[in-house]
Amino acid sequence: AQTVTQSQPEMSVQEAETVTLSCTYDTSESDYYLFWYKQPPSRQMILVIRQEAYKQQNATENRFSVNFQKAAKSFSLKISDSQLGDAAMYFCAYRSRSGGGADGLTFGKGTHLIIQP
Amino acid sequence: DTAVSQTPKYLVTQMGNDKSIKCEQNLGHDTMYWYKQDSKKFLKIMFSYNNKELIINETVPNRFSPKSPDKAHLNLHINSLELGDSAVYFCASSQDAGQVQNIQYFGAGTRLSVL
Repeated sequence: AQTVTQSQPEMSVQEAETVTLSCTYDTSESDYYLFWYKQPPSRQMILVIRQEAYKQQNATENRFSVNFQKAAKSFSLKISDSQLGDAAMYFCAYRSRSGGGADGLTFGKGTHLIIQP
Repeated sequence: DTAVSQTPKYLVTQMGNDKSIKCEQNLGHDTMYWYKQDSKKFLKIMFSYNNKELIINETVPNRFSPKSPDKAHLNLHINSLELGDSAVYFCASSQDAGQVQNIQYFGAGTRLSVL
């Protein structure tokens, strides 16, 4: 079974600075998807960024980018120019590609990101 | 328009009762899911369902049962509620094929409190 580990229960960053959230995972599969989801106090789960394991290029979405190291099974999220609205729980998630469309996501335990004004 | 909608948002009930949470998606997706988020914010898959198969996480008690009247709905029924069932339940959906496959879109969650 796959596992996802987020080793930072909480991170704090000054507004406008850059922060990196860590995520490692364990799998025997070679083809899969990785995700970062954001959960603000509103409770809504919002997709931040997605990475396909067969793509070597790191995904980017505006101020959000990932550092995907497949051999090391590492998938960190970098948030540049942090904004107050970035304050939330961030979840790293894994999904197998081989299982077809019905595979659920395996989540890490989350990192609570605090933005200091 | 809300893509994945759940009702109710909050549900407070007594131990032993039976309750249902409804989920509807208007994205035309063919796979739907239920997740449970516990008090420590840990999210875990409970069920996934498409028109071909129901996949049940083996750790889910059989008091929980998903029911899908059609492709756009996946409701969660819970019998004989226990204190430990208190959690936030999320519905999600995804499309099996295409460029955006494997992206799961979540509802706003239902906070269930069992007294």
